[in-house]
Amino acid sequence: EIVLTQSPGTLSLSPGERATLSCRASQSVSSNYLDWYQQKPGQAPRLLIYGVSNRATGIPDRFSGSGSGTDFTLTISRLEPEDFAMYYCDQYDSSSLTFGGGTKVEIK
Amino acid sequence: QLQLQESGPGLVKPSETLSLTCTVSDGSISSSTYYWGWIRQPPGMGLEWIGSIHHSGSTYYNPSLKSRVTISVDTSENQFSLKVSSVTAADTAVYHCARRSGMTVAGRTSWAFDYWGQGILVIVSS
Repeated sequence: EIVLTQSPGTLSLSPGERATLSCRASQSVSSNYLDWYQQKPGQAPRLLIYGVSNRATGIPDRFSGSGSGTDFTLTISRLEPEDFAMYYCDQYDSSSLTFGGGTKVEIK
Repeated sequence: QLQLQESGPGLVKPSETLSLTCTVSDGSISSSTYYWGWIRQPPGMGLEWIGSIHHSGSTYYNPSLKSRVTISVDTSENQFSLKVSSVTAADTAVYHCARRSGMTVAGRTSWAFDYWGQGILVIVSS
């Protein structure tokens, strides 16, 4: 099973700043099978990025994903007030799927 | 707009079987380009994939839960269901159902959960 480690656990930033979230895998992730989700308290997760770098429908272009192999990054170019939330990465490999532990982006 | 709604008991006794149903509205569960999944989230913790099913009946389970989990689909009712046997307090969580879509960009297909139900809290307690 591939273990995903997200860092930092908490990111304290101000609106307008750039956020860089990391997702590191214990072994190489199959191409196209790394996604990012946003979750706000009391809500279901929302798909942001699929296949490493493709924005889901309706997701603003301030969100971008990159990476390959074992290291992946979600970047929010300029934080808006509605972006303060939890973020999770996930990967799919050999019929099994795992999520990272999450990064909380909080207002500084 | 596709909608998914979880239903079932909010309280289950230890050692019993947890049973939930996800009803899909404004979309067909029988499309070949989708899988349907269950994901849970213990209070204050992260997400855990439980398993996924295709309308044909093909299933994939989290290896750590596989011995206790059954996911089934009822295409006539546009629903899919989850059963977790021999539950303990560790199974207390919000359970979400979700659609897993295949999305093709530049000839390469990726799979992700693009629609989610709001979730249902299931507490395991006597």
